[in-house]
Amino acid sequence: QKEVEQNSGPLSVPEGAIASLNCTYSDRGSQSFFWYRQYSGKSPELIMSIYSNGDKEDGRFTAQLNKASQYVSLLIRDSQPSDSATYLCAVRYGGSQGNLIFGKGTKLSVKP
Amino acid sequence: NAGVTQTPKFRILKIGQSMTLQCTQDMNHNYMYWYRQDPGMGLKLIYYSVGAGITDKGEVPNGYNVSRSTTEDFPLRLELAAPSQTSVYFCASRGQVLNNEQFFGPGTRLTVL
Repeated sequence: QKEVEQNSGPLSVPEGAIASLNCTYSDRGSQSFFWYRQYSGKSPELIMSIYSNGDKEDGRFTAQLNKASQYVSLLIRDSQPSDSATYLCAVRYGGSQGNLIFGKGTKLSVKP
Repeated sequence: NAGVTQTPKFRILKIGQSMTLQCTQDMNHNYMYWYRQDPGMGLKLIYYSVGAGITDKGEVPNGYNVSRSTTEDFPLRLELAAPSQTSVYFCASRGQVLNNEQFFGPGTRLTVL
C-alpha cells in the first residue's frame, strides 16, 4: 500500500515567520514529488516540484527532498496571510502513467 | 485557453439517481484524471485515461464509470448514487511528459441525500 503522510495541522505561524510543512512517503521507488496549494473551496494548484535530493528554491518557497529518509518538506519564508491554505504533498509512484498519490494535506494559517 | 472546465458546479442527487459529471480540457493533453476529495482528506484517484479510447481504474473506482471518446472530454458517470458518493470531484489533465504538471478543473460539489 503506497502512502503519503502529512501532519493535518492546523499549523499556525505569525506573519513574517518561516512555515515548515513535512511529508513522508512509503514507496522507496518514488522519483517525483510535488507540493500543491489549495485555498478553501478551490482546486489545487502546483507550487513546487522536486526530483533530486537536496533543496530547490523558488521565490519564498523551498522544497527539500531526502530520498534515503523518504521525506520531503516545504519551507515558506516571510509567510503572508495570503499563504493561508491547505498544502497537499503528492508523490508520483512507479509506472508509465505518472499517477500521483496525495497526502491529506496540512492546513496553514498565517496570523497578521 | 479555458484550461480544464467542469460542469455542473453543484448538484444534489437523491439516493439511486444517476448523473454524469462533465470534464473538458482545451490543452490537447493526453492524460486525464478524475479525483474525489472528502472533507479533510487528500485527493483519491477514481479513474484515469492515457488517451482517447483508453481508460483505467484508480484507487476508488467502485460506483463510477468513465469513457473517453475524444481527447478533450472525459465524463464521469455515477450510477445508483449513494450517500458515500457525497464529495467534491476534481478533473485534471496533463501533457505527455511524465513530470508535467497536472492542471485541475474548478470541481463539482455533489451531495447525495
